[in-house]
Amino acid sequence: AQSVTQPDIHITVSEGASLELRCNYSYGATPYLFWYVQSPGQGLQLLLKYFSGDTLVQGIKGFEAEFKRSQSSFNLRKPSVHWSDAAEYFCAVGAGYGGSQGNLIFGKGTKLSVKP
Amino acid sequence: EPEVTQTPSHQVTQMGQEVILRCVPISNHLYFYWYRQILGQKVEFLVSFYNNEISEKSEIFDDQFSVERPDGSNFTLKIRSTKLEDSAMYFCASGGRGTDTQYFGPGTRLTVL
Repeated sequence: AQSVTQPDIHITVSEGASLELRCNYSYGATPYLFWYVQSPGQGLQLLLKYFSGDTLVQGIKGFEAEFKRSQSSFNLRKPSVHWSDAAEYFCAVGAGYGGSQGNLIFGKGTKLSVKP
Repeated sequence: EPEVTQTPSHQVTQMGQEVILRCVPISNHLYFYWYRQILGQKVEFLVSFYNNEISEKSEIFDDQFSVERPDGSNFTLKIRSTKLEDSAMYFCASGGRGTDTQYFGPGTRLTVL
């Protein structure tokens, strides 16, 4: 069965420091992978996605993620964190034929806190 | 930028009552979804809807749940007889043909007392 694991429940980083949020997936075929961010009281906003091609994908707000098939990972990174990045981050895998045609399977999320 | 909207933002109901959660997907989208997130847990898929019928549903989506697209713009989730364990944040999402991306609304927080 497909699954997504985000090993870190809560991470605290200092503003200006680099960030890496981990995501591992289990999926039988080529995965469609997503990172979403949820600010308090807000919905889920898409940060970036990977379907195929270049394994390093760029997203909004300065985020990037790297797909590593050999490690079944899709870690999210940002070189310099801003206080406004404090939120909860969800990794997800598309279980259908494409992200919009199949359901998404989410990880439990990683809550990011940013110290001034 | 077009966005998915959901109403109400918060709904409080008594156990056993029926609730209808409403969503307005992005206008040219064809695929519609409901997910839920129980407090402190992961976001879980409930149901997907395409071409006026359910295309996929999870084990959670039992006979107490139904979905409808009554007028070509709204997409609703009905819970016939709410239980305490239905308390959660419910997210609607929509996707367009070829976009391969689901766009989520802000959610409706359902509290069952």
